[in-house]
Amino acid sequence: EIVMTQSPATLSVSPGERATLSCRASQSVSSNLAWYQQKPGQAPRLLIYGASTRATGIPARFSGSGSGTEFTLTISSLQSEDFAVYYCQQYNNWPTFGQGTKVEIK
Amino acid sequence: QVQLVQSGAEVKKPGASVKVSCKASGYTFTSYDINWVRQATGQGLEWMGWMNPNSGNTGYAQKFQGRVTMTRNTSISTAYMELSSLRSEDTAVYYCARALTTSCPDYWGQGTLVTVSS
Repeated sequence: EIVMTQSPATLSVSPGERATLSCRASQSVSSNLAWYQQKPGQAPRLLIYGASTRATGIPARFSGSGSGTEFTLTISSLQSEDFAVYYCQQYNNWPTFGQGTKVEIK
Repeated sequence: QVQLVQSGAEVKKPGASVKVSCKASGYTFTSYDINWVRQATGQGLEWMGWMNPNSGNTGYAQKFQGRVTMTRNTSISTAYMELSSLRSEDTAVYYCARALTTSCPDYWGQGTLVTVSS
């Protein structure tokens, strides 16, 4: 099983600031990496797939990068609606998710 | 618009089975795989498996092999996930999701809470 490790567990950011979230795979997943946003009581929402392609309707302030084992999700200027938990998921092999990064208001 | 509407919450006793439904609309049901993902309260996401609605082919995560069955009824654009031999650790919200690729969910259902308690 490919283990996905996200860091940090919690990120405290002020509105308008940049947020950088990391995700590491225990072995190469090529570019088969997705990012999801989840708010309390809601289903996850796909943000990024293929490591860097924004899903339909996702604002340009969300960007993804990386390949192989190291990936990054960047939110260029945090809006109030962006405070949530973010998960990475590899789908190169049997899919696995990271444990999540909570982005909270500083 | 793409929608996945799941059946309502369930309460089951240990050892029982549960069957959750997922009705798709707004797209051609047989053109995209369906994934099932679960989430225990306050915990992360756990991928359970996939089903191809066109062929009926399935793939299950090793953890659930032998306990999970994913099926579909194409005439009503509905997918089903049945989990047997329930135990307390199976208490979770179960999500169905349309898969953009085989195992990359894009549109998600609202979730179904399954509670296993004696």
